[in-house]
Amino acid sequence: DGGITQSPKYLFRKEGQNVTLSCEQNLNHDAMYWYRQDPGQGLRLIYYSQIVNDFQKGDIAEGYSVSREKKESFPLTVTSAQKNPTAFYLCASSLGFGSPLHFGNGTRLTVT
Amino acid sequence: AQSVTQLGSHVSVSEGALVLLRCNYSSSVPPYLFWYVQYPNQGLQLLLKYTSAATLVKGINGFEAEFKKSETSFHLTKPSAHMSDAAEYFCVVTTNRDDKIIFGKGTRLHILP
Repeated sequence: DGGITQSPKYLFRKEGQNVTLSCEQNLNHDAMYWYRQDPGQGLRLIYYSQIVNDFQKGDIAEGYSVSREKKESFPLTVTSAQKNPTAFYLCASSLGFGSPLHFGNGTRLTVT
Repeated sequence: AQSVTQLGSHVSVSEGALVLLRCNYSSSVPPYLFWYVQYPNQGLQLLLKYTSAATLVKGINGFEAEFKKSETSFHLTKPSAHMSDAAEYFCVVTTNRDDKIIFGKGTRLHILP
């Protein structure tokens, strides 16, 4: 079955450490997205990519970095510069403009 | 530019009662509209979509939504609520002309026994 896989489901890190969240899709979608979800704040866009080797900042890109070396993969690194990294992170993909998003099951990151 | 407003961050209905979740949008070009559902600690799942075909759209789990251009609305309904419908629901607007995807802030649906 096609879908999006995010791993791990839960992640714990100490403050000051960088951490990378994995997102893999086998839907052959060109576009991929990273969202952050906090209670009561809905979804906020971190980064997105419409094509391999290209990506754009979203609304809250500071303290995050991404790469898009393969169509299937769009990893997100939460750096030590992100002041409040504890959150639920969602990866999504789509065929392109106007197409619905397909979401992974999320990674809950806790930084202490 | 597009925007979307979901009225009511929390909605409670009794089991078996009508579910109505409100969504109003604005868009300078013809919009594409979506409703997603999110269960706790999971990703979002597409319920239904409007992409300029029929104005009454049927989705999964017995949900439907009607696109009303004159009211700029895309409210989500279900005739009879079930306990399993308890979740958070998001209304989303985009277009087929650019990469902007605008999420509403979500409505948490509570089902009362």
